[in-house]
Amino acid sequence: DQQVKQNSPSLSVQEGRISILNCDYTNSMFDYFLWYKKYPAEGPTFLISISSIKDKNEDGRFTVFLNKSAKHLSLHIVPSQPGDSAVYFCAAVTSYGKLTFGQGTILTVHP
Amino acid sequence: AAGVIQSPRHLIKEKRETATLKCYPIPRHDTVYWYQQGPGQDPQFLISFYEKMQSDKGSIPDRFSAQQFSDYHSELNMSSLELGDSALYFCASSPMGTRADTQYFGPGTRLTVL
Repeated sequence: DQQVKQNSPSLSVQEGRISILNCDYTNSMFDYFLWYKKYPAEGPTFLISISSIKDKNEDGRFTVFLNKSAKHLSLHIVPSQPGDSAVYFCAAVTSYGKLTFGQGTILTVHP
Repeated sequence: AAGVIQSPRHLIKEKRETATLKCYPIPRHDTVYWYQQGPGQDPQFLISFYEKMQSDKGSIPDRFSAQQFSDYHSELNMSSLELGDSALYFCASSPMGTRADTQYFGPGTRLTVL
């Protein structure tokens, strides 16, 4: 029972363009959402988060959008850089602290 | 800045052996979480501790146990190892009173069961 889903296993983008990573969830009890970035052989690194009472949060090149009625969130990276190439995980929280992850999307940014 | 430390980074065990994974949280972080990531899978929550008490439990097998010590480090003990236990095991820590966005992950321990 995958409560957090990232339906695109991979995404390829040209440097300087926008990267859009998508995430859907099924559990309406989730009230906080996060994006993590992960390189091979390293632990996930926190990128950006959003509370369910908001629909947008921005931090530099990263913006997360939340559509609560559609149970959908997305991460926009503008402009994309080759150093952004990594696996991106969407995660959601119900009870305090426990993260439920999506399957991850491999982002490749080509120079 | 100090990060979460996990040891060992790599571990190779035979079936039915035991393994102990250690996690040292960031100083002044009192909450520890353990996650398991199988090959090609997303990280799955195993168990968490706050102030040395178990605070939440996920899909952790009965063969596994964990605890948090007085210095806040945590150990995950795994017995009767099976081939399917081969995975990356991540530990994360966070300070009390914060949301999960302050959950900082260690580099992980790669366990291989032969």
